[in-house]
Amino acid sequence: AQTVTQSQPEMSVQEAETVTLSCTYDTSENNYYLFWYKQPPSRQMILVIRQEAYKQQNATENRFSVNFQKAAKSFSLKISDSQLGDTAMYFCAFMKHGGGNNDMRFGAGTRLTVKP
Amino acid sequence: DVKVTQSSRYLVKRTGEKVFLECVQDMDHENMFWYRQDPGLGLRLIYFSYDVKMKEKGDIPEGYSVSREKKERFSLILESASTNQTSMYLCASTDYPNEQYFGPGTRLTVT
Repeated sequence: AQTVTQSQPEMSVQEAETVTLSCTYDTSENNYYLFWYKQPPSRQMILVIRQEAYKQQNATENRFSVNFQKAAKSFSLKISDSQLGDTAMYFCAFMKHGGGNNDMRFGAGTRLTVKP
Repeated sequence: DVKVTQSSRYLVKRTGEKVFLECVQDMDHENMFWYRQDPGLGLRLIYFSYDVKMKEKGDIPEGYSVSREKKERFSLILESASTNQTSMYLCASTDYPNEQYFGPGTRLTVT
């Protein structure tokens, strides 16, 4: 079974600075998808960024980018120019290709606080 | 925009009560899911459904059941609520292999 590990339960960063959230996963699959989700306080969980394992290029979405290291099974999220609205729980998730959505696995989450 | 709604944001029930949590999505998604979110444990899958009247157990189905009579609606049922079912419950929907879209969550307290 696939497992997803987020080793940082809590992190903080000053507004406008850069922060990196870590995620590692364990799988024997070669084709899969990785996701970062954001859950702001008392608000709905939303997708931040997605990466297909067959793509070597790291995904980016505005201030959010990933460092995908397939061999190391690592998928970190970098947030540049942090904003107060980035304060949230961040979940890393893994989904194997062809497995159906029942195979999406989530990490325990990292609580990020952006300080003014 | 995909919209996933849940019937209640907050719910307080007594031990032994039967509890219904409802989820509705408006994007004609095939797949719907119920998760439980607890601090330090992330999201754990309770049940999912890939079609009307079809369901499959997730990682922690004990004490729960589900119903999907219409494509847009997926209900989670706690047959006899217990205090260890106090948690945040999240519903999600998707069309594979896309990302899941989540509802706002229901924070259930069982006393």
